[in-house]
Amino acid sequence: DTEVTQTPKHLVMGMTNKKSLKCEQHMGHRAMYWYKQKAKKPPELMFVYSYEKLSINESVPSRFSPECPNSSLLNLHLHALQPEDSALYLCASSQPGQGTYEQYFGPGTRLTVT
Amino acid sequence: AQRVTQPEKLLSVFKGAPVELKCNYSYSGSPELFWYVQYSRQRLQLLLRHISRESIKGFTADLNKGETSFHLKKPFAQEEDSAMYYCALSAGGYQKVTFGTGTKLQVIP
Repeated sequence: DTEVTQTPKHLVMGMTNKKSLKCEQHMGHRAMYWYKQKAKKPPELMFVYSYEKLSINESVPSRFSPECPNSSLLNLHLHALQPEDSALYLCASSQPGQGTYEQYFGPGTRLTVT
Repeated sequence: AQRVTQPEKLLSVFKGAPVELKCNYSYSGSPELFWYVQYSRQRLQLLLRHISRESIKGFTADLNKGETSFHLKKPFAQEEDSAMYYCALSAGGYQKVTFGTGTKLQVIP
């Protein structure tokens, strides 16, 4: 299995809702990532987990809360989001360590905050 | 700080014409450079990386440290090459990858 899967594909939520995005991979990768991509913009790194520990947090607001329960799963918990948080959220995975390792991307979750 | 610049938002070429997508980077050490591609309604995927010096789908890219460039080239464009192309940089042994703003390649039949 060489795919990264993400659920749900689409999510609409109000500013007072709590929701979660899910990402899963079974390639044995021990580094997993969350990116945010606005329309016609490049992906922007949010978080990196390496061996299930948070290694990079790119100063993301606390209304986004990542979680890595095991080596195959990555969650992003959302609470009290703002309309400007509407975007495509991408998950990726790779082998940890040197940057020469390819990142495998999921199809993304398109989030709309109303 | 690391930065990746792709000066062209859109590049239109005719089928069979040569293609060059420009990428310049800023980093004081020895970076690792990648090209990622996103075809319509498909996920972002790696096209090639400088360290492997390979040709994928007819595309090549050479790292020029003197000019801090990593331009993507293909001698004869095909319609199926139409996509969004992102140059990306990873530095310092981290998994952190910085993407350029992307160039949309449009191959005209």
